[in-house]
Amino acid sequence: DVKVTQSSRYLVKRTGEKVFLECVQDMDHENMFWYRQDPGLGLRLIYFSYDVKMKEKGDIPEGYSVSREKKERFSLILESASTNQTSMYLCASSQHVGHSPLHFGNGTRLTVT
Amino acid sequence: DQQVKQNSPSLSVQEGRISILNCDYTNSMFDYFLWYKKYPAEGPTFLISISSIKDKNEDGRFTVFLNKSAKHLSLHIVPSQPGDSAVYFCAAAVYNFNKFYFGSGTKLNVKP
Repeated sequence: DVKVTQSSRYLVKRTGEKVFLECVQDMDHENMFWYRQDPGLGLRLIYFSYDVKMKEKGDIPEGYSVSREKKERFSLILESASTNQTSMYLCASSQHVGHSPLHFGNGTRLTVT
Repeated sequence: DQQVKQNSPSLSVQEGRISILNCDYTNSMFDYFLWYKKYPAEGPTFLISISSIKDKNEDGRFTVFLNKSAKHLSLHIVPSQPGDSAVYFCAAAVYNFNKFYFGSGTKLNVKP
């Protein structure tokens, strides 16, 4: 079974802090993704990566950056946290070729005060 | 502009009956469709998928139907069980584009 592990289940940060969300997958998947989930809005893609050191913007990249230095690890960075970034953050991975579903981690509930 | 829409935020069904969850999409390039189930405080788990070359895919109690002309897909759960109570998301993607679009979710409540 694919395992996607997010380092924190709950985080509370102050406005203006730099925040790191970490994600590790153990199935040698090429693709990794960061989504945020908000009520009524579903899952929205922030960034994704299809290879080490490669990244692509999703639909809502503003205020975020990412890092992928190793294949199994994908980090989401909030450069200066704001209250509107309070959300559930979900990391996912998938194989590169063909039709392959996303496999999600359990999420990080981030609260910015 | 949402390319994948789930117009029913919630659905309540009696145990043993059929649950039908609906999803509409606007992008005719989508050729891969998925359903995910999500419990509170957990990540979504993959349930079932269908590619555009099919119009039906079954896996146990779960069946997904795809109507390409109407740009509509649905998930049927028969028979529904209380453990099926969760939020269900539909998603769509274009082959090899590695980008998935999600609906806003439907909260299913199966009453014992």
